Amino acid sequence: AQSVSQHNHHVILSEAASLELGCNYSYGGTVNLFWYVQYPGQHLQLLLKYFSGDPLVKGIKGFEAEFIKSKFSFNLRKPSVQWSDTAEYFCAVPTDSWGKLQFGAGTQVVVTP
Amino acid sequence: NAGVTQTPKFRVLKTGQSMTLLCAQDMNHEYMYWYRQDPGMGLRLIHYSVGEGTTAKGEVPDGYNVSRLKKQNFLLGLESAAPSQTSVYFCASTKGRFSNTGELFFGEGSRLTVL
Repeated sequence: AQSVSQHNHHVILSEAASLELGCNYSYGGTVNLFWYVQYPGQHLQLLLKYFSGDPLVKGIKGFEAEFIKSKFSFNLRKPSVQWSDTAEYFCAVPTDSWGKLQFGAGTQVVVTP
Repeated sequence: NAGVTQTPKFRVLKTGQSMTLLCAQDMNHEYMYWYRQDPGMGLRLIHYSVGEGTTAKGEVPDGYNVSRLKKQNFLLGLESAAPSQTSVYFCASTKGRFSNTGELFFGEGSRLTVL
């Protein structure tokens, strides 16, 4: 079964700084990968996803992620963060075809003005 | 467009009390899920359903029961609440088999405190 781990639990950075959040998954056949974001007091929403094709995936709000098969990684990046990017970010991988997702522990990102 | 709606949004229980969380979706989704979110542990799947009248256990099902009598509703029950069930509960749904859609739609969460 697939599993996923996130390296950073808390990240604090200033506006305009670059952001990179690590995510590694365990091998388990066909790989589909997701990043979800949870803004303070809100529900989770999809940031971006990788199913196949171009390993560089672009999502909403200027985020992108790169699927590197040889490293079992799917790191999330944003070149220049804004205060509004303060949120918790979750990497996720499906454990089967029934839509069940295995979430990482999450990374709390705080962007200071 | 309501999407996924959870009720109640907040609840405080005493140990041993029972309660039911209701999840309703208006997107005609086949699959529905209940997750709990705890600090440092991400989201963990409690139970899920792949269609009306079906339910299955997830990663942490103990102490919870579910029912899917109608396609649009997925109920999560706590028979005898324990402090360890203090958490934020999220309902989610998706259209169908994962390879077709890949996205879960989440409700806004229900914060439950068990004293």
